[in-house]
Parts: sequence; C-alpha cells; structure tokens
Amino acid sequence: AQSVAQPEDQVNVAEGNPLTVKCTYSVSGNPYLFWYVQYPNRGLQFLLKYITGDNLVKGSYGFEAEFNKSQTSFHLKKPSALVSDSALYFCAVSPEGKAAGNKLTFGGGTRVLVKP
Amino acid sequence: EAQVTQNPRYLITVTGKKLTVTCSQNMNHEYMSWYRQDPGLGLRQIYYSMNVEATDKGDVPEGYKVSRKEKRNFPLILESPSPNQTSLYFCASSPYPRTGVRTEAFFGQGTRLTVV
Repeated sequence: AQSVAQPEDQVNVAEGNPLTVKCTYSVSGNPYLFWYVQYPNRGLQFLLKYITGDNLVKGSYGFEAEFNKSQTSFHLKKPSALVSDSALYFCAVSPEGKAAGNKLTFGGGTRVLVKP
Repeated sequence: EAQVTQNPRYLITVTGKKLTVTCSQNMNHEYMSWYRQDPGLGLRQIYYSMNVEATDKGDVPEGYKVSRKEKRNFPLILESPSPNQTSLYFCASSPYPRTGVRTEAFFGQGTRLTVV
C-alpha cells in the first residue's frame, strides 16, 4: 500500500523568502506524484505533477518540486514566497498501473503562512 | 468551463436522517471518486468509479454508498449518518488512465457536513 508523509503541520515564512514544503512517499513501483493547494472555502487546485523525466518539475504560480528517488521525496519549493501563497498544501501519490485507476493517496497537509 | 459541481456546499443534519450529496462533472471523465478531509489526516478515498455502473470501495467506505448511473453524476449517499461522519467531503474526476499515465484530478468545491 502507498503512503505519503508531510512532516510539518505548518510552515511560516516571511514574504520574499524561499518556501519549502516537505513530502516523502512510499509506493510499489514507479510513483506518480502530485501537489495540490487548497485556499479557504475552496476545493483543491492542481499545482504540478511528476510522471517521468526531469527530476525538477515546474508548475503553476511559480512553484516547482524536486523528485528524489533515492530519498523518496518530492519537496515543493518557491524561490520567493508571496502573502497570497498562504494556504493548505497537499502532496499525493498514485501508483503505476491501470488497475489503480487514478486513486490518490494524500499526505496530512501542510499549512503555509507567509507573513508580510 | 470545465468543472466539478457539488451540492450542497453546507449541510447540517441529525443522526439517522438519510442524505445525498450530489456531484456532477462536465468533462466526460470516466474516473470519479469521493474523499473526506479531516484535520491531520489529509484526504481519504471513500468510493471510486472507473465508469458507468462500475464502483468500488476506497479506504474508508463504511457508512457510505454511491451510484454511477450516468457518466457525469456520482452521488454520495449516507443512509444513516452518524456524528463521526462530520467532515469535509470532496468529489473528484479525471480521465481513465488507458495508457497507465496519470493525469491530474479536478476537485469540486467541497461539502461541509455536520451530523448532530
């Protein structure tokens, strides 16, 4: 069975500073990895995904994530955080193969607070 | 506009009173699923459907039912709600990964359910 860990419940960062949200995963075979963001009273919005290829994946709103197979990690990063980046961030994994359909297994979420 | 629509957005009900949360998508996606979101636990899959008349249990199916009579609709049914089903519920849809390659899921805006 697959699992995702987000070790930090909350990350605080000053506006303009780099932002990192950590994620580690466990899955059989090759992983498909995703980051989603949830703003207050909204559904989840897709940020980026790793399927195969380059370990550095670029996504929406200036976010990027680095896939590290040896460390089974997929940390989300942004070089310069904005106050508007304050939200709840979820890492998710989907196993390879058609049998699993598009099932996503989520981490517990990390709340990001960017202070002016 | 491509979207997943859930109704209602907010619902307060009493223990044992049957309720249905509707979900509809306009993207012709085969795969649909229901998740519940609880603090610190992330999102957990309740039920999923790979296509019309094809549904199966996710990780936390107890106390829930679903149906998929039409491709666009995937209602979640609570026959006899209990207080431990108080949660935030999300419907999601995505194309079926025929080649095994995952695509991102589209999420509804959520239904906040309180069972008293």
